[in-house]
Amino acid sequence: QLQLQESGPGLVKPSETLSLTCAVSGGSVSTSSYFWGWIRQPPGKGLEWIGNIYYSGSTFYNPSLKSRVTISVDTSKSQFSLKLSSVTAADTAVYYCARRETKRGGGFDYWGQGTLVTVSS
Amino acid sequence: SYELTQPPSVSVSPGQTASITCSGDKLGEKYACWYQQKPGQSPVLVIHQDTKRPSGIPERFSGSNSGNTATLTISGTQAMDEADYYCQACDTGTGVFGGGTKLTVL
Repeated sequence: QLQLQESGPGLVKPSETLSLTCAVSGGSVSTSSYFWGWIRQPPGKGLEWIGNIYYSGSTFYNPSLKSRVTISVDTSKSQFSLKLSSVTAADTAVYYCARRETKRGGGFDYWGQGTLVTVSS
Repeated sequence: SYELTQPPSVSVSPGQTASITCSGDKLGEKYACWYQQKPGQSPVLVIHQDTKRPSGIPERFSGSNSGNTATLTISGTQAMDEADYYCQACDTGTGVFGGGTKLTVL
């Protein structure tokens, strides 16, 4: 059974860089059939897609976050990571990692449990 | 940037049919996906490729997509279906979400 687990600091100071890692177990990130993505959800609000990465390193980013986001993949460790720079209180959210099929119309079919990141001094 | 619009809330009586819409420019020319999220839980994919149900999703969940509107239909709605529902444009490697719809079963 595929499992995804987010990890990283739960508290980040304003203007600093948020860094999270998603460990994938029960499957491999080195597959051509799936993207690996990050999605976030501010408290009490809706889902916001952040970006996806393919095992080769190709990335797709939300245009509204693109200037601050970097997603990378480490196939040797079966994990992928998110970096979001220059954070503000508006970046406080539960951050989810998830798997998505690469075929047109494929959705995020496996999700991590989510991790709350608070931006505060 | 591309935007998807959902009604904030929909109410339905148990056993009746609930319809949740998702509107976007020429959405019918793309693919739509739908997710269910219950309080304190991660989202669950209920529809992909406009109309397909993942394994384990009940048959009462169905989807359609045409013109500018995708629709999630829940037939014979049950109390356990009360949740937030999100559409997503899942046509390519990108994937904007709609704002979400709270489904109340009363």
